[in-house]
Amino acid sequence: DGGITQSPKYLFRKEGQNVTLSCEQNLNHDAMYWYRQDPGQGLRLIYYSQIVNDFQKGDIAEGYSVSREKKESFPLTVTSAQKNPTAFYLCASSTDGHPETQYFGPGTRLLVL
Amino acid sequence: AQSVTQPDIHITVSEGASLELRCNYSYGATPYLFWYVQSPGQGLQLLLKYFSGDTLVQGIKGFEAEFKRSQSSFNLRKPSVHWSDAAEYFCAVGPNNNAGNMLTFGGGTRLMVKP
Repeated sequence: DGGITQSPKYLFRKEGQNVTLSCEQNLNHDAMYWYRQDPGQGLRLIYYSQIVNDFQKGDIAEGYSVSREKKESFPLTVTSAQKNPTAFYLCASSTDGHPETQYFGPGTRLLVL
Repeated sequence: AQSVTQPDIHITVSEGASLELRCNYSYGATPYLFWYVQSPGQGLQLLLKYFSGDTLVQGIKGFEAEFKRSQSSFNLRKPSVHWSDAAEYFCAVGPNNNAGNMLTFGGGTRLMVKP
């Protein structure tokens, strides 16, 4: 079955530590996205990538980094520079071009110890 | 810049009652419009989308939404709510100008269903 997988489901980070969230899709989608969701808020775009080896900052990119070495993978690293990393992180993908429909993974909840 | 407002943070309805969730958007032209549903701790599932044509669109799970250009609205409706509809609902808007694929989301409406 085609879909988007995110791992782990829960992730704990210690102070000063970098952590990496995984996102994999087998939908053959060109574009991939990372969103952050805080309680009672909508989704805010962190980074997106429309093609392999290229990515762009979203609205809240500070303290995060990404890579897009393969079409099916778009890992997100939450660096120690992100002072408030506790949130629910959602990965999405879509076919490039329009009209546009994004498909979402199940999410990773990041907690700071 | 585009924006989406969902005026109701929480809504409670009785099972079997009708439902309407409000969504207002700000965009320079006719955007692409979406409704997503999120169960607790899960990702978002697409309920329906509007791109063009008939302003009343049908989605999954018995939901429908109506695009009203004059009111800049895209309200979600369901004639009879089931307990399993309890979730958070997000309205989103995307540009229709081939310039990118970015979606802007509203803050969400949490739906609770009373037995």
